[in-house]
Amino acid sequence: DAGVIQSPRHEVTEMGQEVTLRCKPISGHDYLFWYRQTMMRGLELLIYFNNNVPIDDSGMPEDRFSAKMPNASFSTLKIQPSEPRDSAVYFCASSYAGKETQYFGPGTRLLVL
Amino acid sequence: QKEVEQDPGPLSVPEGAIVSLNCTYSNSAFQYFMWYRQYSRKGPELLMYTYSSGNKEDGRFTAQVDKSSKYISLFIRDSQPSDSATYLCALNRDDKIIFGKGTRLHILP
Repeated sequence: DAGVIQSPRHEVTEMGQEVTLRCKPISGHDYLFWYRQTMMRGLELLIYFNNNVPIDDSGMPEDRFSAKMPNASFSTLKIQPSEPRDSAVYFCASSYAGKETQYFGPGTRLLVL
Repeated sequence: QKEVEQDPGPLSVPEGAIVSLNCTYSNSAFQYFMWYRQYSRKGPELLMYTYSSGNKEDGRFTAQVDKSSKYISLFIRDSQPSDSATYLCALNRDDKIIFGKGTRLHILP
């Protein structure tokens, strides 16, 4: 299995631009999670899906952030418009039948100038 | 008070030493307790998880949970340079997983 796949691995953009991060979970997994990691705040859960349905988006910082999961093998996290404080590493993770054993992707390093 | 507290380190120990990593938590509703390891520029990977007080052993790693003290530990025996990473505790309650900020560990050859 290829594991969780994220793209792009690195993204540099200017303030105000739209950013789209992509994730392909492990085949057969029914949970998908989006996290953000910074030195100051650590690893924070943004949103998670179960069977493609968003269950808890209380961690999404504001309306500039949105996430979709159109099918079991693909999810996107969009930031529009982006701001310098959004600079962080964004991780996608997936799991099967529970949230304890999550498999993380390699992350997307986002830098907003 | 934060829900999960973890000393960020860094913690530097010589190769072969026993390492002790710890987290404290404030909410007795936490049910599952996990340890993740994160190498530099990689995603976290699950090392161990347990849902009861006591010890759980897996090779050189032992996870310990003390629910009465709200304290969890990860012990690494015979530490190796390849154990150098950031270790994050993670606790599950009410369908949410809360991560500690992680402790950076350096094993000196």
